[in-house]
Amino acid sequence: EPEVTQTPSHQVTQMGQEVILRCVPISNHLYFYWYRQILGQKVEFLVSFYNNEISEKSEIFDDQFSVERPDGSNFTLKIRSTKLEDSAMYFCASRYQTGSGETQYFGPGTRLLVL
Amino acid sequence: AQTVTQSQPEMSVQEAETVTLSCTYDTSESDYYLFWYKQPPSRQMILVIRQEAYKQQNATENRFSVNFQKAAKSFSLKISDSQLGDAAMYFCAYYGGSQGNLIFGKGTKLSVKP
Repeated sequence: EPEVTQTPSHQVTQMGQEVILRCVPISNHLYFYWYRQILGQKVEFLVSFYNNEISEKSEIFDDQFSVERPDGSNFTLKIRSTKLEDSAMYFCASRYQTGSGETQYFGPGTRLLVL
Repeated sequence: AQTVTQSQPEMSVQEAETVTLSCTYDTSESDYYLFWYKQPPSRQMILVIRQEAYKQQNATENRFSVNFQKAAKSFSLKISDSQLGDAAMYFCAYYGGSQGNLIFGKGTKLSVKP
């Protein structure tokens, strides 16, 4: 069964460093998402991406964040200058198309720790 | 704005028994979707069950079923014949209207006692 994959599974970085989190969505999916979950808290929406552009973003998704789909398969989240409070689990999700049940399928997550 | 509330931070059930997790939501939309996701200690988000708001029939997936009360804006998850592997965090999530993202509740931690 097709699944969303994410790399790396864990990332440790120093405050102020740039990190890139990578995701490979399910191949025929058209909508892509990033969510984050700070330890012990609920899952929060960051950004959605469709047709090679951001379709929606939350207040969390400030100028330090960017997303890209560079090659038609990968979907990346870049944090330019990491802060301590960026430490969280980051989930990528993808969805097929409107009218298909709107189900988002999640990857296994990347656990980011900023020191 | 849409909100999702899970009022039970923790629940416990005996193996083979039945447990119900509560979820309420607030929306002014008429067409939307509701989901339950399971998050085991590995922290992966696994879809458990989905309900379309336009369907009156409650969704069922093997031992998992929902009680969807649209007027009351309630969407509870029933787990029958609970197994040790059901122990996890369970998140209720809403999708609908103009926003394209899922809105999650705070989760319920389910423990299963042998």
